[in-house]
Amino acid sequence: EAGVVQSPRYKIIEKKQPVAFWCNPISGHNTLYWYLQNLGQGPELLIRYENEEAVDDSQLPKDRFSAERLKGVDSTLKIQPAELGDSAVYLCASSLGRGNEQFFGPGTRLTVL
Amino acid sequence: KNEVEQSPQNLTAQEGEFITINCSYSVGISALHWLQQHPGGGIVSLFMLSSGKKKHGRLIATINIQEKHSSLHITASHPRDSAVYICAVIPWAGGGADGLTFGKGTHLIIQP
Repeated sequence: EAGVVQSPRYKIIEKKQPVAFWCNPISGHNTLYWYLQNLGQGPELLIRYENEEAVDDSQLPKDRFSAERLKGVDSTLKIQPAELGDSAVYLCASSLGRGNEQFFGPGTRLTVL
Repeated sequence: KNEVEQSPQNLTAQEGEFITINCSYSVGISALHWLQQHPGGGIVSLFMLSSGKKKHGRLIATINIQEKHSSLHITASHPRDSAVYICAVIPWAGGGADGLTFGKGTHLIIQP
């Protein structure tokens, strides 16, 4: 069975440009998470979806970040415009439900120049 | 103060040594994860536990809910065990931020 798929794996952009990350969770996993991981730090939750509903987005900087999971399967995380401080690894994870084991994708490493 | 504290932050040991990584947390939890992250790699879940002890190969994880403490042990360590080990907790529903709350990780290097 395929794990959590993320693309791209690496992205380099100039500041003020838009960028989007894509995540395909494990089949049957209703819960999807986006995490941000800065260098040398543990991940931090950005947003959690239960099916297509965003149930916890309190940590998402809504002035520039947006996310969607239209059909309750794939999800896209967007930054517009990107800032230098957005350089980090963006991780997607999925689980059968809240409180269940989470499975992580390989992450997208974003570099903003 | 972080809700999840790990120690040590960095650990270098010789091949074959017994390794212990500790995790303390300050919130009520429903479960705790131990995760492994290799440089440039994604995160792999090693264990999820809510009580007692679990063993998988050379890895052992224990948790004491009353003391809010967990340990990850590696027996007969090998250079391929070199990675960052992260402790993460699932807070009780409604008790705080959702998703996992992560420690900063323990950077382990096993020298041949």
